[in-house]
Amino acid sequence: DAEITQSPRHKITETGRQVTLACHQTWNHNNMFWYRQDLGHGLRLIHYSYGVQDTNKGEVSDGYSVSRSNTEDLPLTLESAASSQTSVYFCASSESSGAGFETQYFGPGTRLLVL
Amino acid sequence: AQKVTQAQTEISVVEKEDVTLDCVYETRDTTYYLFWYKQPPSGELVFLIRRNSFDEQNEISGRYSWNFQKSTSSFNFTITASQVVDSAVYFCALSESTNAGKSTFGDGTTLTVKP
Repeated sequence: DAEITQSPRHKITETGRQVTLACHQTWNHNNMFWYRQDLGHGLRLIHYSYGVQDTNKGEVSDGYSVSRSNTEDLPLTLESAASSQTSVYFCASSESSGAGFETQYFGPGTRLLVL
Repeated sequence: AQKVTQAQTEISVVEKEDVTLDCVYETRDTTYYLFWYKQPPSGELVFLIRRNSFDEQNEISGRYSWNFQKSTSSFNFTITASQVVDSAVYFCALSESTNAGKSTFGDGTTLTVKP
């Protein structure tokens, strides 16, 4: 069955370190997204991609970067981790259709703690 | 800019009670999609329903029903005869056709169903 996976599921790091969170989907979806979820809040969009070599900034992109070298993967990199980036990170993917968007399917999330 | 408001932060009911979760949205687009997701204590995000802006027909699926009213920009979600397993955080989300694939989420409503 097609799925979307994230790794690691839990990560503890120190301030200033570079961290990369992996996202892999086997749906063959063109669209992929990264969100963060902070306690008591909904999801906020960090970066997104509509296809290979395409990346776009979301509403909270500062301090994060992504790259899309193939359809299946969209790794999220924290260039220099900060305590404010302690959060739960969700990756999602969706088809691209004539309507422009479809339902997003989410990975299980990565809990990141920056000390 | 699009916005989703879930005014109810927390709701607590006793099992078998009916409960309605409110969602109010703002958008300038005439074409958009609305979603409800469930996030149980395990943390994953589970897709529940998607409605497009041209389809105001209300929907019932088992114990779940949704009331979409464009006139009041609301997309409310009702659980009939609630069960303990319904305890979760419920998120309403909005995607506009001009921001293909990107969703704006409300802050969520935490539903607790007591036995």
